[in-house]
Amino acid sequence: KQEVTQIPAALSVPEGENLVLNCSFTDSAIYNLQWFRQDPGKGLTSLLLIQSSQREQTSGRLNASLDKSSGRSTLYIAASQPGDSATYLCAVGDDYKLSFGAGTTVTVRA
Amino acid sequence: GAVVSQHPSRVICKSGTSVKIECRSLDFQATTMFWYRQFPKQSLMLMATSNEGSKATYEQGVEKDKFLINHASLTLSTLTVTSAHPEDSSFYICSATRTGTGGSDGYTFGSGTRLTVV
Repeated sequence: KQEVTQIPAALSVPEGENLVLNCSFTDSAIYNLQWFRQDPGKGLTSLLLIQSSQREQTSGRLNASLDKSSGRSTLYIAASQPGDSATYLCAVGDDYKLSFGAGTTVTVRA
Repeated sequence: GAVVSQHPSRVICKSGTSVKIECRSLDFQATTMFWYRQFPKQSLMLMATSNEGSKATYEQGVEKDKFLINHASLTLSTLTVTSAHPEDSSFYICSATRTGTGGSDGYTFGSGTRLTVV
């Protein structure tokens, strides 16, 4: 059974700092890995999707890397802004479904 | 991009009644849809996976007679919470994908439904 772990569980930084969110998974036989953002009481917004054959994906200030062999992914958010405050979820696609980590709750202080 | 619409966003019902939640893929055909439940300050718990025209596959511990899932078309799946009780109060979120493995678009999520049973 796939186990997904996200570290840290919570993170508070001043505006302008870069954010580094970590995700690890136990079974490397994955189809893809997807990072999501969730605001309180809302659904999930997809940030980046990395296929198993890819090493990284970038979108604006966001960059996500994938090292399948070691079971790790990292989400980098450059020059954080208060609007980046949210919970970030890592999800691994395998066995025809997604397995989620518990999330990292980020607070960016103005 | 892929869009999933979920309705209602909030619902309050009396104990013992049934509630239906709809999940629609607006601009793509979803061969597979998923239903999740989320408790406060916790991550998503997969309840069931449904493929169009087939019976849903429920995760261990999820009562299929209580949480009825129908995926009658490639754009619509419904979750019916039957004989709801206060312990069923939760945040329910659906997800849809073109293919079972996520494909090039990955998984798209609805905006969620806050169910409160009084």
